[in-house]
Amino acid sequence: ETGVTQTPRHLVMGMTNKKSLKCEQHLGHNAMYWYKQSAKKPLELMFVYSLEERVENNSVPSRFSPECPNSSHLFLHLHTLQPEDSALYLCASSQATGGNGYTFGSGTRLTVV
Amino acid sequence: EDQVTQSPEALRLQEGESSSLNCSYTVSGLRGLFWYRQDPGKGPEFLFTLYSAGEEKEKERLKATLTKKESFLHITAPKPEDSATYLCAVQAGSNTGKLIFGQGTTLQVKP
Repeated sequence: ETGVTQTPRHLVMGMTNKKSLKCEQHLGHNAMYWYKQSAKKPLELMFVYSLEERVENNSVPSRFSPECPNSSHLFLHLHTLQPEDSALYLCASSQATGGNGYTFGSGTRLTVV
Repeated sequence: EDQVTQSPEALRLQEGESSSLNCSYTVSGLRGLFWYRQDPGKGPEFLFTLYSAGEEKEKERLKATLTKKESFLHITAPKPEDSATYLCAVQAGSNTGKLIFGQGTTLQVKP
């Protein structure tokens, strides 16, 4: 499989649940990103991993916890979320410098009830 | 503060009616400007990268141009399948690869 794959595509969770989003890339990239996309708002950068090291945490609440075990896999662990966290969560990958842009996954549509 | 603003927010065209989308930016040390297309329920799909003022790139009915303050995405004789949200993003002088996105322009092309 090529490209950037995100699972699950859809997720409904209660505010007390714990769940994880998974992202996998087979492009040989060494940087990976989590973005949040809400209606009528620009994509919001959440986390950046470069060469498996977290290089940016864009003031994201601690109820979101990223994990990057290797350069091909990225996780976003979720716990005690709020309804306003409902959004499309997009994973992307690039070469570490990002000069050729990102390749995005199809996203996980998250609904918090 | 680095910022990207796209206009209009929404655009409706008849098939064959050419138009342009605008992306204005303020950034410290532009490393690249990117255009993406996003269909409903999908992730953004890469279209173009522009690196310096005066640069132009074309793909089918789309042409992207860049000045020191803004970029345009020109759509010539659009077809219904060009309907999508078009996103503009800039990469600033940092070396983390971070992209800053505009809010997008949603284009609807009617047959």
